[in-house]
Amino acid sequence: KNQVEQSPQSLIILEGKNCTLQCNYTVSPFSNLRWYKQDTGRGPVSLTIMTFSENTKSNGRYTATLDADTKQSSLHITASQLSDSASYICVVSFLMDSSYKLIFGSGTRLLVRP
Amino acid sequence: GAVVSQHPSRVICKSGTSVKIECRSLDFQATTMFWYRQFPKKSLMLMATSNEGSKATYEQGVEKDKFLINHASLTLSTLTVTSAHPEDSSFYICSARGRGSSYEQYFGPGTRLTVT
Repeated sequence: KNQVEQSPQSLIILEGKNCTLQCNYTVSPFSNLRWYKQDTGRGPVSLTIMTFSENTKSNGRYTATLDADTKQSSLHITASQLSDSASYICVVSFLMDSSYKLIFGSGTRLLVRP
Repeated sequence: GAVVSQHPSRVICKSGTSVKIECRSLDFQATTMFWYRQFPKKSLMLMATSNEGSKATYEQGVEKDKFLINHASLTLSTLTVTSAHPEDSSFYICSARGRGSSYEQYFGPGTRLTVT
């Protein structure tokens, strides 16, 4: 069964600290893995997209890693800011019936405190 | 990046009425649009996929007669919630994928529907 699991479910950190969010998936055939940031009451915004051959990709203070062998990904946030408080969703894409489908993780809710 | 807009951002309607939500791709032609529903503290659930000019494909358990989807042009898709019920209250998000783009999807900002 195609699944995407994220951990932790929620996380509280102090402003300026770093944190790492985890994503494990069992999706086949794998196409790509994305990390989205979703602010409360807003739509998801793409942070990174990685294909099978990419191990790491950065977007400012966000760095995503992908291990296609173990089917794990992480999102590292450096020097957190209050505006980083949001839900972070891991999404894996796979090809089915000649079209790309997305499997969403349940997200990690991050709260950055001053 | 590409921009997808939704209108309205918030809507309150009475039980039994219908409400229409618009989704527009502002700077690209969206050959495929997706409609999602999101409950509080939960992830997005795909409701239906629509390709421009053809009927939408609904996910299992989604009533096509209740959630009417129209994708009449390459920049506009609409979701109409018919005979709205309080249990239809939710956050509805659309997403669009462009021509030639095999995997990139851009999400709209969402519409908060409250049925009283």
